[in-house]
Amino acid sequence: GQNIDQPTEMTATEGAIVQINCTYQTSGFNGLFWYQQHAGEAPTFLSYNVLDGLEEKGRFSSFLSRSKGYSYLLLKELQMKDSASYLCAVKSGYNKLIFGAGTRLAVHP
Amino acid sequence: DVKVTQSSRYLVKRTGEKVFLECVQDMDHENMFWYRQDPGLGLRLIYFSYDVKMKEKGDIPEGYSVSREKKERFSLILESASTNQTSMYLCASSLGQNDQPQHFGDGTRLSIL
Repeated sequence: GQNIDQPTEMTATEGAIVQINCTYQTSGFNGLFWYQQHAGEAPTFLSYNVLDGLEEKGRFSSFLSRSKGYSYLLLKELQMKDSASYLCAVKSGYNKLIFGAGTRLAVHP
Repeated sequence: DVKVTQSSRYLVKRTGEKVFLECVQDMDHENMFWYRQDPGLGLRLIYFSYDVKMKEKGDIPEGYSVSREKKERFSLILESASTNQTSMYLCASSLGQNDQPQHFGDGTRLSIL
């Protein structure tokens, strides 16, 4: 079957670092995406990994290990506006994404 | 910037009605998708389309159909709405290449009474 797991909720303090993990078991793999979704808004694209390793983009970084079926999203220097849901999605076939249920992150002062 | 526009943010319909949700994208994307998003379940794919007049079933197509008569427009149809179709519906589009992200509309919150 197809399965993507990520924690339901996380909390963190403004200015800190938080790591959101994602593990997956899918029948195919053509890349992994992370999206950010603020309440009541559309998901917006954050990062894409298809090769093992770390991709850095400003305060956000994403890591992939294909052999372990594992990814994480690292958020540094947290800001209040980072409070949102973070969605992990695996491209298992041609242009078809499978989404995890999302991790709701609350950033506190 | 890519713009994906869904015709309504909020919609209330009655059980048994035929419901149309419209989605338009302005970036000449080949691929278009319809998802529903429910608490604790994440986004689930209903239908997608690679090209005009072409459609493929996603993971939960039952009770839905789609239409893509023009490249920029992808419509989701609830043939006979039921209360278990109350949900947030999200449309997305993307280019055909593997590394291209999907771009989402703001969603339609549909309530079936």
